[in-house]
Amino acid sequence: EDQVTQSPEALRLQEGESSSLNCSYTVSGLRGLFWYRQDPGKGPEFLFTLYSAGEEKEKERLKATLTKKESFLHITAPKPEDSATYLCAVQARGSARQLTFGSGTQLTVLP
Amino acid sequence: KAGVTQTPRYLIKTRGQQVTLSCSPISGHRSVSWYQQTPGQGLQFLFEYFSETQRNKGNFPGRFSGRQFSNSRSEMNVSTLELGDSALYLCASSLTSGSLDEQFFGPGTRLTVL
Repeated sequence: EDQVTQSPEALRLQEGESSSLNCSYTVSGLRGLFWYRQDPGKGPEFLFTLYSAGEEKEKERLKATLTKKESFLHITAPKPEDSATYLCAVQARGSARQLTFGSGTQLTVLP
Repeated sequence: KAGVTQTPRYLIKTRGQQVTLSCSPISGHRSVSWYQQTPGQGLQFLFEYFSETQRNKGNFPGRFSGRQFSNSRSEMNVSTLELGDSALYLCASSLTSGSLDEQFFGPGTRLTVL
């Protein structure tokens, strides 16, 4: 059974204080790993797709990396508007569009 | 380009009733997936429809069902509602099924079962 574990559950940062969120996964053949951002009362917003170990992707203050067992979402010099819940999900080979999500990391960036 | 829309946004029902939720995907998208989000279980996959056919189904009881129309709009139905069905129901659309193109989520329908 595919499993995704995210840590920490919650993270409070001062504005400008860089940090990383972790996503550990076990999957029967990884097809893709996804990062989403979810604001309260809204649906998840797509951030990145990573396909293979060693791959990295960047968008503004966010950088996602992937190894064979985990993914990291690095946040550089965060701003209060980066406050949200960050979700990690995996898609296994042969699972069509089914995503298995982690429970998320609730990030709060204080001004 | 309009995003994924879901109706209604909020719904209150009582135990034993049934409910139908609607999802309109982004224009041109043919795959629609449904997810249930609760504080305890997080986001869990319900099912995916592509070209009016169910492609995949998660571990939910048969009370949860869905369908897709020829214009790719999708509905999900929950019969004999239970208190534990209270959740945010999200739908996500993508261009195709079985590939890695992005899934775009709608704002969700918040269902409360009393």
